[in-house]
Amino acid sequence: GENVEQHPSTLSVQEGDSAVIKCTYSDSASNYFPWYKQELGKRPQLIIDIRSNVGEKKDQRIAVTLNKTAKHFSLHITETQPEDSAVYFCAAQKGVYYGGSQGNLIFGKGTKLSVKP
Amino acid sequence: EPEVTQTPSHQVTQMGQEVILRCVPISNHLYFYWYRQILGQKVEFLVSFYNNEISEKSEIFDDQFSVERPDGSNFTLKIRSTKLEDSAMYFCASESEGPEAFFGQGTRLTVV
Repeated sequence: GENVEQHPSTLSVQEGDSAVIKCTYSDSASNYFPWYKQELGKRPQLIIDIRSNVGEKKDQRIAVTLNKTAKHFSLHITETQPEDSAVYFCAAQKGVYYGGSQGNLIFGKGTKLSVKP
Repeated sequence: EPEVTQTPSHQVTQMGQEVILRCVPISNHLYFYWYRQILGQKVEFLVSFYNNEISEKSEIFDDQFSVERPDGSNFTLKIRSTKLEDSAMYFCASESEGPEAFFGQGTRLTVV
């Protein structure tokens, strides 16, 4: 089955710096890669996602890159702010086709990001 | 904005007791999931449900677990005889035509 590895497990940056979190996956059939932000005691919230037919996607200060050949994808947060502090999870899903979804999410172990003011 | 809602927010139960966790997915969503997260660990898939039947389940989802969609709105997870290791946060999620999954706020289950 699919296995998702995520690094680092903890990341501490100064406010304004960039943060990069990396994930690798094992199943080449996976074709959808979301990133979730989870604040303490709250639900995971989708912040950005990418499908396997795209190499990069950006949304304001957040970007995700995907390398299908190497089976890895990364989250990039620029100009970090204290409110970015949270646990970030990457995930992989297979079975996504146009207009539909068939698969469950396999999550990485999470990265605890601390942004120091 | 529509939300997935879960009840209760916290459930304390004695070992060996049955618990039912409830979820109301976003209306018109078609795919439903249960995940669990043991404190400090990653989110783990339990089961997916589509068209009134289980479409996929993980190794965690053994005979002690069952899911049901008793009416058009609720989606429940039952644990028949709880064990200490079932203590976790349980998240319900739903999708329309995918792929974005919307998570509920979770039910914290504590087995004592």
